[in-house]
Amino acid sequence: DADVTQTPRNRITKTGKRIMLECSQTKGHDRMYWYRQDPGLGLRLIYYSFDVKDINKGEISDGYSVSRQAQAKFSLSLESAIPNQTALYFCATSDRSGTRPYNEQFFGPGTRLTVL
Amino acid sequence: GEDVEQSLFLSVREGDSSVINCTYTDSSSTYLYWYKQEPGAGLQLLTYIFSNMDMKQDQRLTVLLNKKDKHLSLRIADTQTGDSAIYFCAESMGYSTLTFGKGTMLLVS
Repeated sequence: DADVTQTPRNRITKTGKRIMLECSQTKGHDRMYWYRQDPGLGLRLIYYSFDVKDINKGEISDGYSVSRQAQAKFSLSLESAIPNQTALYFCATSDRSGTRPYNEQFFGPGTRLTVL
Repeated sequence: GEDVEQSLFLSVREGDSSVINCTYTDSSSTYLYWYKQEPGAGLQLLTYIFSNMDMKQDQRLTVLLNKKDKHLSLRIADTQTGDSAIYFCAESMGYSTLTFGKGTMLLVS
């Protein structure tokens, strides 16, 4: 079973609709992240959470919100979707409590979102 | 702000060596990373290097770091078709968030 799962894997929606993307992890990691990937633009950080009570904006948080419902769950919402939010969205986790001093992140398989 | 730049595309023949280059601007970066994204999948850490190192070798992979020029490279020896993927350079200061480059698509034919 995958350690980091994302649902749905694909979603097509219309402009103005509210959308929620969900991420769950069984790795026991404390830190979780949401990124979007666009061709030619690479990976950009939307929001991140270092623990259940900690939420931080990333590089491109406008138009998005997040909720950390539990250590294992981190959801991303688009309150009113627009076409330029069409992208591939990734959730990732990392473990600060471990012994590694570097930030190895573990990624989910991605959600492909299309906003018409 | 921090910026990480890399070329977008590289094509090599099977059996040749591949060299993917990256430049970064943040002089306080302490860790530099190479992540690999295979088609239809998320990213996976390939290797990393601490900023006080010049080189790191791991089987077919060699990472070179020129801290003075803020230049990082990834060399893949004896490139195979299974190495076809997008390779992302990234940097962080300690355990802070990562800043990724735009990714280099490696095509092995």
